[in-house]
Amino acid sequence: AQKITQTQPGMFVQEKEAVTLDCTYDTSDQSYGLFWYKQPSSGEMIFLIYQGSYDEQNATEGRYSLNFQKARKSANLVISASQLGDSAMYFCAMRPLGGLRGNEKLTFGTGTRLTIIP
Amino acid sequence: GAVVSQHPSWVICKSGTSVKIECRSLDFQATTMFWYRQFPKQSLMLMATSNEGSKATYEQGVEKDKFLINHASLTLSTLTVTSAHPEDSSFYICSASLHNEQFFGPGTRLTVL
Repeated sequence: AQKITQTQPGMFVQEKEAVTLDCTYDTSDQSYGLFWYKQPSSGEMIFLIYQGSYDEQNATEGRYSLNFQKARKSANLVISASQLGDSAMYFCAMRPLGGLRGNEKLTFGTGTRLTIIP
Repeated sequence: GAVVSQHPSWVICKSGTSVKIECRSLDFQATTMFWYRQFPKQSLMLMATSNEGSKATYEQGVEKDKFLINHASLTLSTLTVTSAHPEDSSFYICSASLHNEQFFGPGTRLTVL
């Protein structure tokens, strides 16, 4: 079984500052993928960044980076130079990797509501 | 990235009626699609895994006779909420799997009066 924990239900951050959203996970799988999604008020799930468990480098995508610490089972999302448009719900998720049909389902955390203050 | 559409984006229906929600992968073939349900201010809850050409796999606690899933082609999966009641009102989101990623549809907001 997999479990994702997001301990910050809500965060307020000043515009242009960096923000770190916490995510810890628990899994017995040797190979897994970690994801971050953004969900604005419109409801769509926007994929932000992916980290594979065997990737040695931390993933980066523009202003998003993933601080992956495998030994600590954490996969925190860092947003640099926050913008007003970053205000949204953010979900951390994971899934096992292996390619077998039926074991691809994502497990989501409870989410963090980020509010950027002008 | 790959695009997944959902139709309708919102629906209001009377209690006791059935509602069908479509999920389509527009520019890729998806052998596996997923259906989620999301209550306000909560996370996504996986309802079922839909596999093309076979029966869906439902998560524990999800009534398969109430939430009918059909995955008739590699680009289309449908979720039918049968005999809907107000407690079925929710945000329903589908996703389609491609390689290591899941691409989400925009969601369908169902309101049952």
